[in-house]
Amino acid sequence: QVRLVQSGAEVKKPGSSVKVSCKASGVTFSTYAFFWVRQAPGHGLEWMGEIIPVYDTANYAQQFQGRVRITADKSTSTAYMELSSLTSEDTAMYYCARGAPSGRYYLCGEDCFDYWGQGTLVTVSS
Amino acid sequence: VMTQSPLSLPVTLGQPASISCSSSQSLVYTDGNTYLSWFQQRPGQSPRRLIYNVSNWASGVPDRFSGSGSGTDFTLRISRVEAEDVGVYYCMQGTHWPFTFGPGTKVDIK
Repeated sequence: QVRLVQSGAEVKKPGSSVKVSCKASGVTFSTYAFFWVRQAPGHGLEWMGEIIPVYDTANYAQQFQGRVRITADKSTSTAYMELSSLTSEDTAMYYCARGAPSGRYYLCGEDCFDYWGQGTLVTVSS
Repeated sequence: VMTQSPLSLPVTLGQPASISCSSSQSLVYTDGNTYLSWFQQRPGQSPRRLIYNVSNWASGVPDRFSGSGSGTDFTLRISRVEAEDVGVYYCMQGTHWPFTFGPGTKVDIK
């Protein structure tokens, strides 16, 4: 059974950075991409970016370019999302999810977004 | 750009419900597939995929949920709404990178 377990809630000061982890089990980590999705309070789902572990490649949505860094540790089957220069607008729930198979990471169909982490609440407050 | 209507949908238990989703461009890929998915997010929970590729049920999804549509216009139907169906429903296109979600439709009981 595939499980994605995320790190715990964080409280950060404006201007600082946060790093959230997502540990995968029950899945061959290098076979898939892994996504990060943000949900601000009372708002919808926003795709932030992805890591494709087998290629050591990360891709980001334009609105997060330059401020987000997504990495993976294949030895521990863990994906990470680091967001810098935090403001109050970054207060949100952050989810990881299993992405598409590595060979077709640019399409999201059957084997995509089928497993999600429990979410990590990041609160940015002075 | 993905749009949904309505954004709020009060429903009666046992009655059908329908949510529309439109894309600003065709979601048909060169392989002939259409990568449009639907998600349910119950209050306080992570999103859950219901439907993929327009009309295919994800594992464990009750058959009272169904998806249809083609090209740029899609529909999620609930044949008989149950109390556990309360939440927000999102469509998502997986054809054009980066993937994008609709704004969500909030379903609650009248």
